[in-house]
Amino acid sequence: AQTVTQSQPEMSVQEAETVTLSCTYDTSENNYYLFWYKQPPSRQMILVIRQEAYKQQNATENRFSVNFQKAAKSFSLKISDSQLGDTAMYFCAFMRSTGANSKLTFGKGITLSVRP
Amino acid sequence: GAVVSQHPSWVICKSGTSVKIECRSLDFQATTMFWYRQFPKQSLMLMATSNEGSKATYEQGVEKDKFLINHASLTLSTLTVTSAHPEDSSFYICSAGLGRPNSPLHFGNGTRLTVT
Repeated sequence: AQTVTQSQPEMSVQEAETVTLSCTYDTSENNYYLFWYKQPPSRQMILVIRQEAYKQQNATENRFSVNFQKAAKSFSLKISDSQLGDTAMYFCAFMRSTGANSKLTFGKGITLSVRP
Repeated sequence: GAVVSQHPSWVICKSGTSVKIECRSLDFQATTMFWYRQFPKQSLMLMATSNEGSKATYEQGVEKDKFLINHASLTLSTLTVTSAHPEDSSFYICSAGLGRPNSPLHFGNGTRLTVT
């Protein structure tokens, strides 16, 4: 079974600053996918970024980037130039690569507050 | 982009009654949909995997007779909470994938169920 650990329950960052959210996971799989989802107060789940385990290059999406360390099973999210709209819960998630529709395993999530 | 519609967005029902929640994939066919439950400030817990044309697969500890899932078409899955009790009050979210191994899951807006 796979597990995803987000050990920080809450973080706060000043607007325009950079913040890093931590995530570790455990799996015996060699190929898999990792995701970060954002859940604002509206509770809509929004995909922020995804990483394919067989790709060494870290994924980036505008102000969002990841630091993927496969050997350490670490997958942190860096948010640059934080904006007030980034305030939300962030979930790290794992998906096996086998099967057409694999389920997501989520971490406990972290509440991020961006201060004006 | 892929859109998943969930209805209703909120519902209040009396203890002992049943409530049906719909999850529709609007612009793609979803052979598999997932149902999650989320308590405030907590992570998403997978309840069951809904497979079109076959029985759903329930996670350990989830009562299949309590949470009935029907996936009769490639665009619709329903979750019926039978004989609801106050402890069933929660936020229920569905998600669906595009059927490709690496496709991220797209989420509905969720349903807030309150049982009085």
